[in-house]
Amino acid sequence: GQQLNQSPQSMFIQEGEDVSMNCTSSSIFNTWLWYKQDPGEGPVLLIALYKAGELTSNGRLTAQFGITRKDSFLNISASIPSDVGIYFCAGQLGPGGSNYKLTFGKGTLLTVNP
Amino acid sequence: DVKVTQSSRYLVKRTGEKVFLECVQDMDHENMFWYRQDPGLGLRLIYFSYDVKMKEKGDIPEGYSVSREKKERFSLILESASTNQTSMYLCASSLVGAGYGYTFGSGTRLTVV
Repeated sequence: GQQLNQSPQSMFIQEGEDVSMNCTSSSIFNTWLWYKQDPGEGPVLLIALYKAGELTSNGRLTAQFGITRKDSFLNISASIPSDVGIYFCAGQLGPGGSNYKLTFGKGTLLTVNP
Repeated sequence: DVKVTQSSRYLVKRTGEKVFLECVQDMDHENMFWYRQDPGLGLRLIYFSYDVKMKEKGDIPEGYSVSREKKERFSLILESASTNQTSMYLCASSLVGAGYGYTFGSGTRLTVV
């Protein structure tokens, strides 16, 4: 099945640094989502984006829906140790039929050194 | 607090055993999904269901089957467990339609020895 190209695969940063990760696709999506997975847990939804060009924030997290609808990025400002985990992007074509299924990136593993 | 509950966090099974992984959601969601997660491979869809008794194969259905007799419960079955099925298994559910994300369970880490 199709997968999104998510980069970087992993990041090691110092506490307080800003982080940026992105996802690209060869096809368009109408919804982009960003999830975080804490160690030993299931992914949890962080941010959902529904319109091309949309910029949405959730605390220290900011995500954007690319104008071409083929990409999205996530920024984390002033990282803290609890930001550690795997971040997944996901795209949804929708509506209709099986177009509601999400296509996931392979994830970005974030490590924050205190 | 709405949630998706997976019956076991950790399981150890022997090769050749029939294994059942259970998932229950309390959000009245129509769609339910089973994924496996392996390092470097991301989340891979095994099976999904969009209604009771309905199922569709995902990307890696070989060696697995599913059952959805009730809307809230979606079971993953390993007919004859093999060591290459050692993995983290994640269940998820969602409403039908565009714009809805998935709610995931906490996962079951299965080890087949």
